[in-house]
Amino acid sequence: DAGVTQSPTHLIKTRGQQVTLRCSPKSGHDTVSWYQQALGQGPQFIFQYYEEEERQRGNFPDRFSGHQFPNYSSELNVNALLLGDSALYLCASRLTGSLETQYFGPGTRLLVL
Amino acid sequence: EDQVTQSPEALRLQEGESSSLNCSYTVSGLRGLFWYRQDPGKGPEFLFTLYSAGEEKEKERLKATLTKKESFLHITAPKPEDSATYLCAVQEAGGSYIPTFGRGTSLIVHP
Repeated sequence: DAGVTQSPTHLIKTRGQQVTLRCSPKSGHDTVSWYQQALGQGPQFIFQYYEEEERQRGNFPDRFSGHQFPNYSSELNVNALLLGDSALYLCASRLTGSLETQYFGPGTRLLVL
Repeated sequence: EDQVTQSPEALRLQEGESSSLNCSYTVSGLRGLFWYRQDPGKGPEFLFTLYSAGEEKEKERLKATLTKKESFLHITAPKPEDSATYLCAVQEAGGSYIPTFGRGTSLIVHP
């Protein structure tokens, strides 16, 4: 049973560039959430996708956008990168309506220079 | 004010030295409280979910307990492989299913 997978594992970008991160949810899961985790901090919620639509959003600017595909996989896009966007980006999946908790992927480490 | 506060921020133990980590929360009603373990540079690994005061869950050397305003993660006779950051997250009743995370407790167990 495949867990949550993310790609790439590491990424280096420069200020002003754009980046796309990818996530495949755990088998049987239909809801994907994205989190940003800065060093020494807990994960901060960015947004959640279900049925290919953004359902909830945290306190992040419009530079952060996403997409969910019919196979439930998801992308996180960040435009006009800032140094402060350097962080571990985590994807988590769950099955809507289930009492089961969400499961996290290994994350993508983004460094903005 | 943070809704979820974890203490201590860092904890160093000798192998076999039992201790407890604390997670206090200020949400008005609790739907669920979650504990995760996170190794450096990796995603959080789910440990426990607690739903109501008085509930306890155990897994190997770890035991999680819940009261009306806080949760404890007790570590009994820890081993070096228990070294990690332990994250607590809270889901508020009546709100979204999005959990709010604390900043975590970094645990180092020395052999």
